Amino acid sequence: QKEVEQNSGPLSVPEGAIASLNCTYSDRGSQSFFWYRQYSGKSPELIMFIYSNGDKEDGRFTAQLNKASQYVSLLIRDSQPSDSATYLCASPPGAPGGGADGLTFGKGTHLIIQP
Amino acid sequence: EPEVTQTPSHQVTQMGQEVILRCVPISNHLYFYWYRQILGQKVEFLVSFYNNEISEKSEIFDDQFSVERPDGSNFTLKIRSTKLEDSAMYFCASSDGQGAYEQYFGPGTRLTVT
Repeated sequence: QKEVEQNSGPLSVPEGAIASLNCTYSDRGSQSFFWYRQYSGKSPELIMFIYSNGDKEDGRFTAQLNKASQYVSLLIRDSQPSDSATYLCASPPGAPGGGADGLTFGKGTHLIIQP
Repeated sequence: EPEVTQTPSHQVTQMGQEVILRCVPISNHLYFYWYRQILGQKVEFLVSFYNNEISEKSEIFDDQFSVERPDGSNFTLKIRSTKLEDSAMYFCASSDGQGAYEQYFGPGTRLTVT
């Protein structure tokens, strides 16, 4: 069964530092990965997606994918207290069915940015 | 910016009752999804819907569940006979079916079954 694993945390990072969030996945066929941010009691909000090995940057966020190691990470530079949330890693099935695929989510990592 | 909307925000129902959760996906999106999140647990996929039919469904989506697109804008999830364990946040999501098929989530409906 396909699994997406994340350390639940909490991960505590001082304001202004880099927060590093990690995710591993079991399905070698997984092609794309999504990072969502979820504030307590709210819905998942899409931050980034990545499907090529290497780094992808968007503002303060950098997603990294290493398919050989089955590892995805999200770096948040210049962390702000407003970044405090749970970060969810998600992936569709390894045999892509296009838009029909449901996402498999990890449990999420609870990030706390300390002012 | 266009967004997915859901109604109601909170639904309380008695065990055995039928509930219908409503969603309005982003207007030019083609794929629609329902997910649920039991308190403190993972977000779980229930079903995807495209071209007026179910595309994929998970093991959770049993005969008690059904989905419908009754008109050009609404997308509904019906639970026929609710159980206590159906209490959860239910999220609707939609995708335009382009690129990486990014899915955008609505604010959710909190379903409480008593």
